[in-house]
Amino acid sequence: EDQVTQSPEALRLQEGESSSLNCSYTVSGLRGLFWYRQDPGKGPEFLFTLYSAGEEKEKERLKATLTKKESFLHITAPKPEDSATYLCAVPPNAGNNRKLIWGLGTSLAVNP
Amino acid sequence: NAGVMQNPRHLVRRRGQEARLRCSPMKGHSHVYWYRQLPEEGLKFMVYLQKENIIDESGMPKERFSAEFPKEGPSILRIQQVVRGDSAAYFCASSPPEGRETQYFGPGTRLLVL
Repeated sequence: EDQVTQSPEALRLQEGESSSLNCSYTVSGLRGLFWYRQDPGKGPEFLFTLYSAGEEKEKERLKATLTKKESFLHITAPKPEDSATYLCAVPPNAGNNRKLIWGLGTSLAVNP
Repeated sequence: NAGVMQNPRHLVRRRGQEARLRCSPMKGHSHVYWYRQLPEEGLKFMVYLQKENIIDESGMPKERFSAEFPKEGPSILRIQQVVRGDSAAYFCASSPPEGRETQYFGPGTRLLVL
């Protein structure tokens, strides 16, 4: 069964303390990996899409990287406003590639 | 450029009533997706629609749930005879008709069944 696993479940950082979030997947033929950010009471906000191993994307303090079995979301010198739940998702191994399978997310708290 | 719009934002229903959730996609987007989110389960795909067509409803419960995306107007997710287990956040997303599959989400409708 296609699965997406995110770790850690929760992460607490001090402002300026860099770290990485992990997203691993069991899908064999990856057809894209999506990172989103979700604030409490809101819908997921799109961050990045990665399609091939070795690909990297950056946006402000965030950088997403992709290998054959996992993706990392690196957060450099985070600020309190980076506090949110970070979600990753992939299409299934076969069939409709718009039917995303989601991880449970990493809840990030950045203390000032 | 307005984003995906959903209404109502909060909906309270008693058991046995009907719930209608509406979604207006981003301008120029013709693909709509509905997801359900529960705290311990994460986001679950329900249905994928294009104008006047249901493309994939493999995530929809077989009974009581239906979805449509008419030629004119918003997409509707309809839940008949709601039960307490239907309480959840329901999110709609949309994507453009061509190119890659990035989905953009609305703010969600929080359904509470009493």
